[in-house]
Amino acid sequence: GENVEQHPSTLSVQEGDSAVIKCTYSDSASNYFPWYKQELGKRPQLIIDIRSNVGEKKDQRIAVTLNKTAKHFSLHITETQPEDSAVYFCAALYYGGSQGNLIFGKGTKLSVKP
Amino acid sequence: NAGVTQTPKFQVLKTGQSMTLQCAQDMNHEYMSWYRQDPGMGLRLIHYSVGAGITDQGEVPNGYNVSRSTTEDFPLRLLSAAPSQTSVYFCASSPLTSPGPFTDVAYEQYFGPGTRLTVT
Repeated sequence: GENVEQHPSTLSVQEGDSAVIKCTYSDSASNYFPWYKQELGKRPQLIIDIRSNVGEKKDQRIAVTLNKTAKHFSLHITETQPEDSAVYFCAALYYGGSQGNLIFGKGTKLSVKP
Repeated sequence: NAGVTQTPKFQVLKTGQSMTLQCAQDMNHEYMSWYRQDPGMGLRLIHYSVGAGITDQGEVPNGYNVSRSTTEDFPLRLLSAAPSQTSVYFCASSPLTSPGPFTDVAYEQYFGPGTRLTVT
């Protein structure tokens, strides 16, 4: 079945620095890759996603890149702020039969120090 | 819109007890799903449904049952709780889109607030 590996599991940066989180997936048929942010005690919320027909997508300080050949995608956060501190999950859409379902990575806990 | 709602927020069960976690959405989404979240394990899919009367298993279905009698509701049942089922449970919903002739795809998942379950 599909597997999504996410690294690192924890990441600590200084405010203003950039943060990069990387994920790899195993199913070459996957064509949708979202990133979710989960603040402490809250529900996961979608922050950005990318589909396989594009290589990069940006939304203000966050960007996602996709390398289909290597089967990996990354989240880039620039000019980090303390409110970026959270757990970030990557996911890949996996087609097991006729229905696609999201398979999640294990998460990265990002800490931004003021 | 209330979005996706879950009850209860917290629950403590003894081993062997049964209970139902409730999930409802008011966005008319066809796709609904249940995930469990354990420390260091991410979100793992338990069961999902693509419409009323249609359910299927995810990655970790053992010990859980679901049903979907209406578009709005998707309850998760634990028939005989075990300590290994201690976890945070999230329900999610999504509209289905059809990028091709045979496959409906659920893209953005809208998550409920979660239920923290402890089994002693």
